[in-house]
Amino acid sequence: QSALTQPPSASGSPGQSVTISCTGTSSDVGGYNYVSWYQQHPGKAPKLMIYEVSKRPSGVPDRFSGSKSGNTASLTVSGLQAEDEADYYCSSYAGSNNFVFGTGTKVTVL
Amino acid sequence: EVQLVESGGGLVQPGRSLRLSCAASGFTFDDYAMHWVRQAPGKGLEWVSGISWNSGTTGYADSVKGRFTISRDNAKNSLYLQMNSLRAEDTALYYCAKGSCGGDCYPDYWGQGTLVTVSS
Repeated sequence: QSALTQPPSASGSPGQSVTISCTGTSSDVGGYNYVSWYQQHPGKAPKLMIYEVSKRPSGVPDRFSGSKSGNTASLTVSGLQAEDEADYYCSSYAGSNNFVFGTGTKVTVL
Repeated sequence: EVQLVESGGGLVQPGRSLRLSCAASGFTFDDYAMHWVRQAPGKGLEWVSGISWNSGTTGYADSVKGRFTISRDNAKNSLYLQMNSLRAEDTALYYCAKGSCGGDCYPDYWGQGTLVTVSS
């Protein structure tokens, strides 16, 4: 049950795009289409942004999109806005009633 | 509106026990799996444990297996985490989270967390 690997930080100017990677193994990310992404602002609870690799919950802007290739999933935030500055975590089902989270990425809007 | 309210956190000595509770409302509790996820101060999220809608299946992170027990009482719309043999590394904010379905499903709604500090 090793944490999924994410880059510690990512940044972009308002209006630009940023992509965050999430690398696991064939036992988690690569083995299931159950990758989700969470946004966490300081002092707040995480919020679901993407589920099942690329689906958006109601109310999440379509600026947020997800994809997966092999053992690596990605979250892209297009048209960056100031309120997108936050920590982002990926998560994957890992079989046998287990889940695993990523190491987290701090997104900075320059 | 989904509401999850955790309680039971506090300061506890290493080796002692603590029981966390989560009161759920705003959805049909016994239709959904539930999770505990923790976050050590200044660190990332760590999935701790999950339980299916009918308690038929449970899962635990290796770091807590054999020490923590997850349970639920559907009649009381409540989720629990019994934590035994606590260690300093268990110090964290513990979140209760609703699963998106009844079985092996990702968390979709989260509570605000309850802080557990393990220290002598």
